[in-house]
Amino acid sequence: DQQVKQNSPSLSVQEGRISILNCDYTNSMFDYFLWYKKYPAEGPTFLISISSIKDKNEDGRFTVFLNKSAKHLSLHIVPSQPGDSAVYFCAASNTGNQFYFGTGTSLTVIP
Amino acid sequence: DTEVTQTPKHLVMGMTNKKSLKCEQHMGHRAMYWYKQKAKKPPELMFVYSYEKLSINESVPSRFSPECPNSSLLNLHLHALQPEDSALYLCASSRRDVENSPLHFGNGTRLTVT
Repeated sequence: DQQVKQNSPSLSVQEGRISILNCDYTNSMFDYFLWYKKYPAEGPTFLISISSIKDKNEDGRFTVFLNKSAKHLSLHIVPSQPGDSAVYFCAASNTGNQFYFGTGTSLTVIP
Repeated sequence: DTEVTQTPKHLVMGMTNKKSLKCEQHMGHRAMYWYKQKAKKPPELMFVYSYEKLSINESVPSRFSPECPNSSLLNLHLHALQPEDSALYLCASSRRDVENSPLHFGNGTRLTVT
């Protein structure tokens, strides 16, 4: 059973606009959430994370929002750049060493 | 450049072969992981080593045998694999001394079983 879900397999955004990637989870015990970016033929690269005691974390163009009551997190990329085109995975953890991944959203930023 | 190095990048093996995947990190991380990823699927956890001891085995078939010789190295020994085992095998590491530490992945080994 998939505990972390990304319901949008793909997303296209114009360069300079905001990209919003969404992720839902089912396990209320998850307390640490992460976003990874993956290019073809490479491993996932860590982007940004948030612990359950916060509802927002920002790092440059990337902001992650956490809504614990809705069991929902989102990644905002502003402004989007063509180099952001990749597959984005969200992940969640409740023990610190067991991570569950979503199925990924393929982002295309159109120049 | 990734700080987790995996070799080889590609591997083709027959069902009767024995081969090994290797992973190395020099970040001082004391947790190391093997994940398997099939096309258009999320990475699936196989094994976790914590302080060089196997702490999680996600009911992986015995034809996959992990080994952690020291705190920097992680191997995955393969024997009598099936074609459905063809996938991208990812190694990752993380800190154990800090709560909520992210995984750092290598670029993976693309395995094809013929």
